[in-house]
Amino acid sequence: EVQLLESGGGLVQPGGSLRLSCAASGFTFSTYAMSWVRQAPGKGLEWVSGISGNGGTTFFADSVKGRFTISRDNSKNTLYLQMNSLRAEDTAVYYCVRPPIAAPGTGAFDIWGQGTILTVSS
Amino acid sequence: EIVMTQSPATLSVSPGEKATLSCRARQSVSSNLAWYQQKPGQAPRLLFYGASTRATGVPARFSGSGSGTEFTLTISSLQSEDFAVYYCQQYDSWLPITFGQGTRLEIK
Repeated sequence: EVQLLESGGGLVQPGGSLRLSCAASGFTFSTYAMSWVRQAPGKGLEWVSGISGNGGTTFFADSVKGRFTISRDNSKNTLYLQMNSLRAEDTAVYYCVRPPIAAPGTGAFDIWGQGTILTVSS
Repeated sequence: EIVMTQSPATLSVSPGEKATLSCRARQSVSSNLAWYQQKPGQAPRLLFYGASTRATGVPARFSGSGSGTEFTLTISSLQSEDFAVYYCQQYDSWLPITFGQGTRLEIK
């Protein structure tokens, strides 16, 4: 079964750091570009960051550029999001997402994890 | 940034009727457009990518069309389970990937 399982969310003070992880299973992880998408409470969807299958190319939303880093360990089938200098506006559910089988390098998102909640508050 | 605008913000339709949701891109995204359905408390579900390629398991009453800057999601005969929030998303440019603000489809 194809699955994405996020972990690492929690309550962090403004200015703090946290690392999210996403464990992938049921597919050849290195074949797919991967992304993180977030959703603030009661709000719409926001793409946060993406990374190519080999990890050589990364992209970030302007709202997190310079604060967040995306990486992957294809030997461990795991995607990461290192979040520094956290702000209240980073509070959201963070989803790990994968493209469709037929379009593995694209930014369409077929498989979604269950999400992990980040709350930034003092 | 490619701004995606969805209309209407809220659409009220009776079960069994047809619903038409629109999405407009500020600049051409070719066919690199996806549609998602999201129900309360759930992760979004991919409906279409490539503007009109139906994702696995999506019922035939759903159809996607368009290219360039104008896109449409049509639900031919609404079922109770179709009432949800729908998002369009462009992935033509990763700098950045952008979503529309969503259309809430509610029961009339």
